[in-house]
Amino acid sequence: DAGVTQSPTHLIKTRGQQVTLRCSPKSGHDTVSWYQQALGQGPQFIFQYYEEEERQRGNFPDRFSGHQFPNYSSELNVNALLLGDSALYLCASSYRDSYGYTFGSGTRLTVV
Amino acid sequence: KQEVTQIPAALSVPEGENLVLNCSFTDSAIYNLQWFRQDPGKGLTSLLLIQSSQREQTSGRLNASLDKSSGRSTLYIAASQPGDSATYLCAVRDGNKLVFGAGTILRVKS
Repeated sequence: DAGVTQSPTHLIKTRGQQVTLRCSPKSGHDTVSWYQQALGQGPQFIFQYYEEEERQRGNFPDRFSGHQFPNYSSELNVNALLLGDSALYLCASSYRDSYGYTFGSGTRLTVV
Repeated sequence: KQEVTQIPAALSVPEGENLVLNCSFTDSAIYNLQWFRQDPGKGLTSLLLIQSSQREQTSGRLNASLDKSSGRSTLYIAASQPGDSATYLCAVRDGNKLVFGAGTILRVKS
């Protein structure tokens, strides 16, 4: 049973560029959340998608946007990259409200 | 606003010791609490999930307790091993999001 799959594992971008990160949820899960983890800190909630709509959003600017597809997979898009966007981006999936979250291995984004 | 604090920030113990990691949260109206393990540069591995109606959960050498009224949870690790070395994160479910502490970095020396 595949867990949460994220791609790519690493990428390097230049300031001002745009990036798309991808996530496939665990089999049977229908809800996808995205988190940003800076070095030495706990993950911070970006947003959550359910039924192809953004259900809740954290304190992140509009440069951060997302999408959920009918097969429950999801993308995180970041526009106009800043050096401060360098972080580990984690995707988590869940099913309804009764269970915990399963996390992927993350995408390490470096902005230079 | 929910805030989660973990103490200590770092811990170094000899192999075989029993240890306790602490987590506190400011708003007791949580849905559940989850403990995770994170190896350097890696994703999060779920260790234990405690629903708000539960007092504790156990898995192997791990035991987590939850006291909602005092806003505290502890993770007890019995007979620690070098392979337990990692960062341990506590997260509370607040609505549709998890609110994380900054973690406890654990090093178990052989």
